[in-house]
Amino acid sequence: KNQVEQSPQSLIILEGKNCTLQCNYTVSPFSNLRWYKQDTGRGPVSLTIMTFSENTKSNGRYTATLDADTKQSSLHITASQLSDSASYICVVSDQNSGYALNFGKGTSLLVTP
Amino acid sequence: NAGVTQTPKFQVLKTGQSMTLQCAQDMNHEYMSWYRQDPGMGLRLIHYSVGAGITDQGEVPNGYNVSRSTTEDFPLRLLSAAPSQTSVYFCASRNGLAGAGQFFGPGTRLTVL
Repeated sequence: KNQVEQSPQSLIILEGKNCTLQCNYTVSPFSNLRWYKQDTGRGPVSLTIMTFSENTKSNGRYTATLDADTKQSSLHITASQLSDSASYICVVSDQNSGYALNFGKGTSLLVTP
Repeated sequence: NAGVTQTPKFQVLKTGQSMTLQCAQDMNHEYMSWYRQDPGMGLRLIHYSVGAGITDQGEVPNGYNVSRSTTEDFPLRLLSAAPSQTSVYFCASRNGLAGAGQFFGPGTRLTVL
């Protein structure tokens, strides 16, 4: 069964600090991996997408990495801001499912002053 | 473009009542879907549609009906609301297969008493 596991479940950091969120998956054959940011009370918004051949993808202070061999991805946030407080969801799709997506349960990040 | 819109934003029902959650998108996307999001569970797929007149069940379809008479609209019907259906519901759309970016609506917070 395709699975997506995220860690940690929750994280609290001080404003200005860096942090890294993890996503491990068993989805096969792999198609692509997206990281979404979900602010409280809102729908998720796509941050990055990575395909099999991509190792790193950046979007401002957000940098996603992908190791397709170990089936691991990370989302690194640099110089965190209060507005980074949100839930971050890892979503993986496989080549065979056509329309299905595999969602992680998310990491809840709180950035404090 | 308004993107994906959902109404209402909040709703309180009594057990046994029925209601329809509305979803519309103005991006001419073929694929639309409904998710529910519960604490600790992540996003779970209820129903999806790959085009007008075509719908299919997702992971947790029981107690919900959908129809897709137009490309733009994808309403979700609760036939006889139960307390277990208390959740936040998100509608999403994308253009094509799982690799395409998915756009989420702002969500409907439903409470069933």
